[in-house]
Amino acid sequence: RKEVEQDPGPFNVPEGATVAFNCTYSNSASQSFFWYRQDCRKEPKLLMSVYSSGNEDGRFTAQLNRASQYISLLIRDSKLSDSATYLCVPPGGSYIPTFGRGTSLIVHP
Amino acid sequence: EADIYQTPRYLVIGTGKKITLECSQTMGHDKMYWYQQDPGMELHLIHYSYGVNSTEKGDLSSESTVSRIRTEHFPLTLESARPSHTSQYLCASSGGAHNSPLHFGNGTRLTVT
Repeated sequence: RKEVEQDPGPFNVPEGATVAFNCTYSNSASQSFFWYRQDCRKEPKLLMSVYSSGNEDGRFTAQLNRASQYISLLIRDSKLSDSATYLCVPPGGSYIPTFGRGTSLIVHP
Repeated sequence: EADIYQTPRYLVIGTGKKITLECSQTMGHDKMYWYQQDPGMELHLIHYSYGVNSTEKGDLSSESTVSRIRTEHFPLTLESARPSHTSQYLCASSGGAHNSPLHFGNGTRLTVT
């Protein structure tokens, strides 16, 4: 089983919509998680860190469900500039970060 | 302003050449990583280091080698480039606790002809 699984999408939403992505992980010992954003042909950039049950930063909310082993990312009031691939990253075995393919988001006018 | 630098940004080279991709960080991070990523695909870990004189192979079989003689420097070398090495190579570092996030360089896009 992969360490992290995400729906690759793409999620196609209009501007102003609320959209949520889920990410399931296999390592129950994982204590912290990160959401990264990656634009086309660019490097991933840290979007949010999740160290406890959740975190909120402006229009972005990340939540952690340890019992079901998933984390979610909620984006409210989507902007065109939110179009990107969103990567969920648990620390992984030996705390080496592992990446899946991420979830592609397309926000259209 | 980047605290982790990769050079070159783009490289086109012929088959059989030896190349070194440079990666340097100014954050004093102990852990450094090299990932390979093809367009639209996931990042694959090819090498990592826990600190000076520490190097480990990642999940993806690679014909490359790395060295870590100084904390800030983690170069990746391909002894004999092949067309199958054409890809984007991303260097990253992390510091502090084991659950610290990664900081990425802006990548080297390699094309082997």
